[in-house]
Amino acid sequence: QQQVKQSPQSLIVQKGGISIINCAYENTAFDYFPWYQQFPGKGPALLIAIRPDVSEKKEGRFTISFNKSAKQFSLHIMDSQPGDSATYFCAASMVSGGYQKVTFGTGTKLQVIP
Amino acid sequence: EAQVTQNPRYLITVTGKKLTVTCSQNMNHEYMSWYRQDPGLGLRQIYYSMNVEVTDKGDVPEGYKVSRKEKRNFPLILESPSPNQTSLYFCASMISGVYGYTFGSGTRLTVV
Repeated sequence: QQQVKQSPQSLIVQKGGISIINCAYENTAFDYFPWYQQFPGKGPALLIAIRPDVSEKKEGRFTISFNKSAKQFSLHIMDSQPGDSATYFCAASMVSGGYQKVTFGTGTKLQVIP
Repeated sequence: EAQVTQNPRYLITVTGKKLTVTCSQNMNHEYMSWYRQDPGLGLRQIYYSMNVEVTDKGDVPEGYKVSRKEKRNFPLILESPSPNQTSLYFCASMISGVYGYTFGSGTRLTVV
């Protein structure tokens, strides 16, 4: 099963609050879990990523939490700002047939209101 | 500047009229891929290429063709477009062994 399930579909957060986006996967062969950020009119851009041998990775205000046993991972945006308003995609990847196959979640549209 | 360039950005066409969306990258990446983005469905892979002359189907390849004659270029061809191919298309590239795609800015295609 290659599916990656992402929730919520949309999220409204007050400025300064914490935004949390959750993802779940089924295939234990996935070995890399990136998050992409997409602004309107632009392509997705790699934001932060984690491997399953660590439980948390932090880069500035962005943190990935990873629960290998539950096959879940989440993105936390601390002190959310209006400039964080974008669509966020989680993804999971694995090597398949010599190729790095990336499977994306369905996306979360985040709106941070002043 | 390292980038993936897609053209055109916007395209309106009629059913059945063949079209090509071009994609070029200047980073010497081995891997290239085409995705379509639809509301509620996220990014779905159409075709990918591991290197020159090596291409394979992704998850939604029906109605599309690709070619990889040069390392930098990976055009997407719709031989006979249909309205269900109306979508936002992204080309992306990735270097082997480094796990992260660089995406183009997208092509919004409308088939009427």
